[in-house]
Parts: sequence; structure tokens; C-alpha cells
Amino acid sequence: GDSVTQMEGPVTLSEEAFLTINCTYTATGYPSLFWYVQYPGEGLQLLLKATKADDKGSNKGFEATYRKETTSFHLEKGSVQVSDSAVYFCALTGGFKTIFGAGTRLFVKA
Amino acid sequence: GAVVSQHPSRVICKSGTSVKIECRSLDFQATTMFWYRQFPKQSLMLMATSNEGSKATYEQGVEKDKFLINHASLTLSTLTVTSAHPEDSSFYICSASTPGDSGDEQFFGPGTRLTVL
Repeated sequence: GDSVTQMEGPVTLSEEAFLTINCTYTATGYPSLFWYVQYPGEGLQLLLKATKADDKGSNKGFEATYRKETTSFHLEKGSVQVSDSAVYFCALTGGFKTIFGAGTRLFVKA
Repeated sequence: GAVVSQHPSRVICKSGTSVKIECRSLDFQATTMFWYRQFPKQSLMLMATSNEGSKATYEQGVEKDKFLINHASLTLSTLTVTSAHPEDSSFYICSASTPGDSGDEQFFGPGTRLTVL
């Protein structure tokens, strides 16, 4: 079945550092790919999405490119802030069901 | 973007009681709503999918008699945890989606934290 694999956390960075959170997937067909962010005690918020190969999703300085050849959707940000500290979930939707990765916790130190 | 609300945001109850959680789509009609459960520091586990006017489809291992789901209208779905026990304590999150060109995006509620004493 479909699955999503994310790099394990926690990831600890200093402010203004470069961020990469790896995400790879297996799926039949052509899923849509998403990154969601969850701040402490809150629900999930959509961060960005891509619906077809080579699409780049971007929002709030975060980017991810749908790479069909490597079945990846890595999340990147050039300069993280303390306020980016949260848990990030990679997800795919195919056949109307969404599959989430395990989540990667990010800590950004001032 | 579309807004989904949940009520209550937190609930504490005694063991053996039933708790109802509401999920509402505020500015769109949601043909499908999803209920998830999230344990501390873990990912979301899909519990069930509900379509308006029909019975919910439960994931394997989820007790349908314990977690009653009703999707009576295009803007409201409810999850009732019956005869709650401490092991039911968790963070419950709903999401809603609707057919369209949103790329299968789901819109999530803020979650309900249930604590069973």
C-alpha cells in the first residue's frame, strides 16, 4: 500500500540555519503531496502542496518539489526562525485517503 | 482557506461516561469528513471516513461501537466516544474535504484533547 517515510527527528538548528527534512513516498498512481505543520497543542495546518510531478510548493519561505523520479518531496527553508519550531508532517493523498509520515520535530534555537 | 472548527477543544471526563466531539466546516460544504487520533509525539492515525448521509467507514482495528460517527449534514460530523476509559485519552482531530480542484487537500480542525480520569 501507499506509504510515506520521513527523516527521524528531532532536528535542532540555530536560527538562520538551512533546513532540510527528507520525505520519500511509495504510491500507485499519481498522488498529491503535502507538508503540514503542527504547533504545540494545535491541529495541523497546511504548509504547502504539489499536485503533479515537478510542481514546487512554497509558503512562508518553505519549499518542496515533487520529484517523481526519486519519489521524494523534501522540505527546505533557507533561514529558519525560532517561530518555525514545530512538528512537520509529510503526507500524500491518493484514492481519497491521506497517508501521513511519522512527523519530524524541529527545534530552532535563538 | 476553508475553516474547520471542533468543539470542545478540551474535555475531561470520568471513566464510563460518553463524550461527543463536533466537527464543523464553517465556510464550505464538506461531503467527506475524516476522524484521526494522535498519541503524544506520534503521527495521525485515521480512525474513520464519513460521508454525509451514509454510514462511516472505519479503519481496521477501530471499534465502531465505541467510536460512533454521525455525519448528518454537509457541515457537521460528530464523534462520540462511548463508555470512555483512560486508554481513550488522546488528541482527536477531524478534517474535511470536498470535491473540486483543491488537489485532494484536507482542511483540519484544531483538535480536541480528551482526558479520561
